[in-house]
Order: sequence, then C-alpha cells, then structure tokens
Amino acid sequence: NAGVTQTPKFQVLKTGQSMTLQCAQDMNHNSMYWYRQDPGMGLRLIYYSASEGTTDKGEVPNGYNVSRLNKREFSLRLESAAPSQTSVYFCASSERGAQRGQYFGPGTRLTVT
Amino acid sequence: GENVEQHPSTLSVQEGDSAVIKCTYSDSASNYFPWYKQELGKRPQLIIDIRSNVGEKKDQRIAVTLNKTAKHFSLHITETQPEDSAVYFCAANFGNEKLTFGTGTRLTIIP
Repeated sequence: NAGVTQTPKFQVLKTGQSMTLQCAQDMNHNSMYWYRQDPGMGLRLIYYSASEGTTDKGEVPNGYNVSRLNKREFSLRLESAAPSQTSVYFCASSERGAQRGQYFGPGTRLTVT
Repeated sequence: GENVEQHPSTLSVQEGDSAVIKCTYSDSASNYFPWYKQELGKRPQLIIDIRSNVGEKKDQRIAVTLNKTAKHFSLHITETQPEDSAVYFCAANFGNEKLTFGTGTRLTIIP
C-alpha cells in the first residue's frame, strides 16, 4: 500500500499562474482533506470531502477550488496564484466518522513569486 | 468557535527526562483527540489518539491524558530519546468529519 500520495513534490509559480495539486489514496477511505502548513500556524484546513461527490469549505478556502474525482482522488486547484499561497500543502484521508485519525501524504512545497 | 490552544511552543529536555505538552479545546462536544509527530521535512504522522470515553491511554513511552471537565488533554513522553526530537501537534474534532489542529510544539532532546 502506498497510502496517500501527492504530486508534484515541489512547484514554483509566478503570480497569476494556475496549477492543480493531485492527491490519491489506496486505503479505501471515504474522507479526504487538503491542508496548508505555514510556519507558526500549524495545519489549516482548506477544503474537505466527507464522501465521493461532496466537498465542503474549511478554515481558509479563498483562492482555492477542489474536485473529488472519485473515491481515491481529491485535487486542489489554484486558479490565479498569489504570493500569500506560498506554503506546504498536505493531503490527508480518513475512514468515515467523527473519531477517526487522518493519514497524511508527503506534501507539496509551493512557492509563488 | 472551533479552537485548540497548544503549549508550550518550544520545549527542550535532557535525554532520558520526561516531556509534557498540553492542549485545551473550546467545544465540550469534542470527543476525539489525536496527536501527530512531524519530523523536519516530513509529513505529520499519527502517534496516539484518545476518545472521550477514556481518561488515559498508553503506548510504550507515550501516553495521553484527557480531562473533559477542564477541556484539556496532554501528551506525555517518558525516557526521551534523540529520535523524539520533532514538532508535535494536538488536534480535536468538533462533532463532524473535521479536525482542528493546535499550532505545534517543537521538542528538542538534548543529548
């Protein structure tokens, strides 16, 4: 089992460019999440998907869109990147339910210049 | 609102001593409290969790305690080793599919 995988590992964008971060899990989890991690601010939830076909906003959704392509895949899109979106992005997945641990992918380090 | 506060933000302990990290949460409906360890440049990894029907849980050198009345929970690491050096995050759910994370504690073990 690969667990949670993310592509790319690193990306540099210019302000205004767009890109999609890809995430896939092979643990048959129903729920998937996108977080950003900035120094001193912990992990902040961008969007999540409790099941295939549903998505919901988290704490910091502005500037992002998501697609739950199928049960395995959950992508994050930046339509017009801004320097404030420079961060490390983590995808995570969990079994359905309120008392379930989340398992993280290796992260994507994004720099917007 | 959904809030988790974590203290201290940095902690240095001598190898072999114990380390304690504390978190408080805002919503009395929270019933799941995981702890994550993140080594430099790596992903957060779940190391232990506790549910609200339990007051304490141990796994070898790590333990978590929960005080629902006071709305706080703590991570205890005994007999610390150099490989325990990392950033530790607490989290709490708020009755739904989401977790809210604390801001992290950088633990340094001094040889």
